[in-house]
Amino acid sequence: QSALNQPPSASGSPGQSVTISCTGTSSDVGGYNYVSWYQQHPDKAPKLMIYEVSKRPSGVPDRFSGSKSGNTASLTVSGLQAEDEADYYCSSYAVSNTVFGGGTKLTVL
Amino acid sequence: VQLVQSGTELKKPGESLRISCKGSGYSFTSYWITWVRQMPGKGLEWMGTIDPSDSYTNYSPSFQGHVIISVDKSVTTASLQWSTLRASDTAMYYCARRGATDALDIWGQGTMVTVSS
Repeated sequence: QSALNQPPSASGSPGQSVTISCTGTSSDVGGYNYVSWYQQHPDKAPKLMIYEVSKRPSGVPDRFSGSKSGNTASLTVSGLQAEDEADYYCSSYAVSNTVFGGGTKLTVL
Repeated sequence: VQLVQSGTELKKPGESLRISCKGSGYSFTSYWITWVRQMPGKGLEWMGTIDPSDSYTNYSPSFQGHVIISVDKSVTTASLQWSTLRASDTAMYYCARRGATDALDIWGQGTMVTVSS
């Protein structure tokens, strides 16, 4: 199972919006609405930010939103804040497996 | 609700190892446990997952045959074990609770495994 394709880096200034893409195939992202997004700060465990494509767990700010079109899922962070600087990973269910994206380093300029 | 993992390990190539992940604060048998590898400076890799209610296990092809995932529901603990470690097993290993929609909503703090002669 190949990793999902994410851009290695993204950036934006405080207050701006940034969107991170996650491209898979019809066997994973395109085939199921089980796409999740995780935030990982340096030397910390990942944290679930989005599940089922667009749902936010309790406690995650509504500045974080998710969507999907075809085989590509997206995470949008609106109103960027300094604490949003982190690595972001997407994942998708694929029959009897789960696959992660390679990760995107988000820099807040 | 938390998952607490065992501590840092330093091992030699060829040695065996078992690391653990203890769940508390929730019904342990109601959620699968997934193991995730993160090699130094690299991304997350899905290793496999286990259903604590019946020990049904599913492995990534990349890890099948090299690791064993198990669970002891009597002590609400999942384990990840190797019989023969390699230097390339050096990584941080996370356990995570998997919900019905495949999301990993609770993560352990990670166990760092270093394999070096």
